[in-house]
Amino acid sequence: DQQVKQNSPSLSVQEGRISILNCDYTNSMFDYFLWYKKYPAEGPTFLISISSIKDKNEDGRFTVFLNKSAKHLSLHIVPSQPGDSAVYFCAAKAFNSGNTPLVFGKGTRLSVIA
Amino acid sequence: DAGVIQSPRHEVTEMGQEVTLRCKPISGHDYLFWYRQTMMRGLELLIYFNNNVPIDDSGMPEDRFSAKMPNASFSTLKIQPSEPRDSAVYFCASRAGRRAQPQHFGDGTRLSIL
Repeated sequence: DQQVKQNSPSLSVQEGRISILNCDYTNSMFDYFLWYKKYPAEGPTFLISISSIKDKNEDGRFTVFLNKSAKHLSLHIVPSQPGDSAVYFCAAKAFNSGNTPLVFGKGTRLSVIA
Repeated sequence: DAGVIQSPRHEVTEMGQEVTLRCKPISGHDYLFWYRQTMMRGLELLIYFNNNVPIDDSGMPEDRFSAKMPNASFSTLKIQPSEPRDSAVYFCASRAGRRAQPQHFGDGTRLSIL
């Protein structure tokens, strides 16, 4: 029973265009969400996070949007660059309900084509 | 700054052998996590420690798996006896105890059990 789902295993985008990676969750207690990026043969690297009190958080080319009513979040990368090609993991946790560990989605492989 | 350090990076061993994976967390981090990544199940949390004490080991698959954290700068994950289905990439991560701090991952140990 997956609590965090990334339904697209892969995504290809042209360099310079927008990449949109999606994530859905089922546990309404989740109140903190993160995105990690992973290159081959390396560990996941923290990218950006958002608390449930916000609906948007922006850091440079990366923006995360949270829609609590739909239990959906998305990561926008604009403009996309070849170096953004990696696997992106969505993760969630419930801070206000016992500080549960992070739950990860299975990842989306992004390929940015030059 | 030194990140999370895992060793070995790769391990190939025969079924039935004991395997020990090692992790040095980031200095000052008081949470340590062990994850396993497989194609089928993605990133799964195996166990995590707070201040060297195991808090939740519900993700440990079987009694063949054990983890220890004898001090704040070292942890081991042991599999005895190992089986081919244990083949995976094992990640260690650490984070500071302050609220909303992201986890920092090591580069993983790729384990192959023949």
